[in-house]
Amino acid sequence: DAMVIQNPRYQVTQFGKPVTLSCSQTLNHNVMYWYQQKSSQAPKLLFHYYDKDFNNEADTPDNFQSRRPNTSFCFLDIRSPGLGDAAMYLCATSRSGGTDTQYFGPGTRLTVL
Amino acid sequence: GDSVTQMEGPVTLSEEAFLTINCTYTATGYPSLFWYVQYPGEGLQLLLKATKADDKGSNKGFEATYRKETTSFHLEKGSVQVSDSAVYFCALSDRRGYTGNQFYFGTGTSLTVIP
Repeated sequence: DAMVIQNPRYQVTQFGKPVTLSCSQTLNHNVMYWYQQKSSQAPKLLFHYYDKDFNNEADTPDNFQSRRPNTSFCFLDIRSPGLGDAAMYLCATSRSGGTDTQYFGPGTRLTVL
Repeated sequence: GDSVTQMEGPVTLSEEAFLTINCTYTATGYPSLFWYVQYPGEGLQLLLKATKADDKGSNKGFEATYRKETTSFHLEKGSVQVSDSAVYFCALSDRRGYTGNQFYFGTGTSLTVIP
């Protein structure tokens, strides 16, 4: 089935040690999103790519970066994770902009020790 | 700006009870409306959606009608099951144009169904 895949499902890192989360999609969608979701909260959009165009949310910390080397893959890099970055990270895709449905991956649970 | 206000939980129901989760929205344009469901430890799954006024979205026994006059998109199910226990998010999708869309999520409502 076409889908959004995230790896790993669980990631443990140490305070200040860079970490990369991976997302891939077989939907051939133009737009890919990264969200941060903390416990009992709604997902918070960090940034998105429309094709190769990167769009950062105004309040996304500089500690968070992203790469999209091709249509299928998108990476979230956390340069120096702090304890406050422990969260579920969700990747989503949509065919295009406008009001298209977003399709979410299963998420990566990040623990920072 | 656009926003979604969702009924606070947690909600606990007995199996076969009727479910309503309220959702109201504020939007300047003509948004699409969505309900997503999140099971423990999982990502969000699309439950249903409606793209224009008076549209009814439905899936797996759940229904919601896009009411422009009351700016609401309440989620209903006639008879809940234990397997429906999850967190439900109401969301609004605004037209941003070329650069993707903006999803506004409600705060989520946790539902527990007991046998």
